[in-house]
Amino acid sequence: DSGVTQTPKHLITATGQRVTLRCSPRSGDLSVYWYQQSLDQGLQFLIQYYNGEERAKGNILERFSAQQFPDLHSELNLSSLELGDSALYFCASSVEDRVQETQYFGPGTRLLVL
Amino acid sequence: DAKTTQPPSMDCAEGRAANLPCNHSTISGNEYVYWYRQIHSQGPQYIIHGLKNNETNEMASLIITEDRKSSTLILPHATLRDTAVYYCIVRRLGNQFYFGTGTSLTVIP
Repeated sequence: DSGVTQTPKHLITATGQRVTLRCSPRSGDLSVYWYQQSLDQGLQFLIQYYNGEERAKGNILERFSAQQFPDLHSELNLSSLELGDSALYFCASSVEDRVQETQYFGPGTRLLVL
Repeated sequence: DAKTTQPPSMDCAEGRAANLPCNHSTISGNEYVYWYRQIHSQGPQYIIHGLKNNETNEMASLIITEDRKSSTLILPHATLRDTAVYYCIVRRLGNQFYFGTGTSLTVIP
């Protein structure tokens, strides 16, 4: 158990819909990262937040957005969902935002878009 | 980020050492080498990381060549629970991880 929690574990929805994935980082961790893992793309970095502010962006679609709240939990919002958005979504956290920081991953949310 | 090259799959007998190689020939001086593994579809699990020196922890050892262009993760006594996909990641000053395709390790009884 990494200490990172994600809800829900599974999510089934239809194309065109909007969903919100939630992540609670390890106690004391200020930085949160979101990753997407699909069968054809592997694990891809989406976005990072540090202490409430966006720190870095990766391959995140414009239909996706995220935020980190004052209590440091984070939400990833996926809108206008397409079949190709079906994937595992992982959240990771680290204490700070330094080079040697180890990231600890949550168990993931499995999203299925029908 | 420096790219990494790993063999797509490997087998290892239970109880023997598993040696997983990684090539990162374009690594630069400030980039760390990280190893994670993913069991089935669980969240990636941190194993070990290093910059220049060899490292050892309770899970594994990391051997980095002197020129830093390659490294080897060593699981000293592989068990069936070590069957997983192992990712070698080279990370720059930015804190984002860029995962490759990894090595699928199968530990055989």
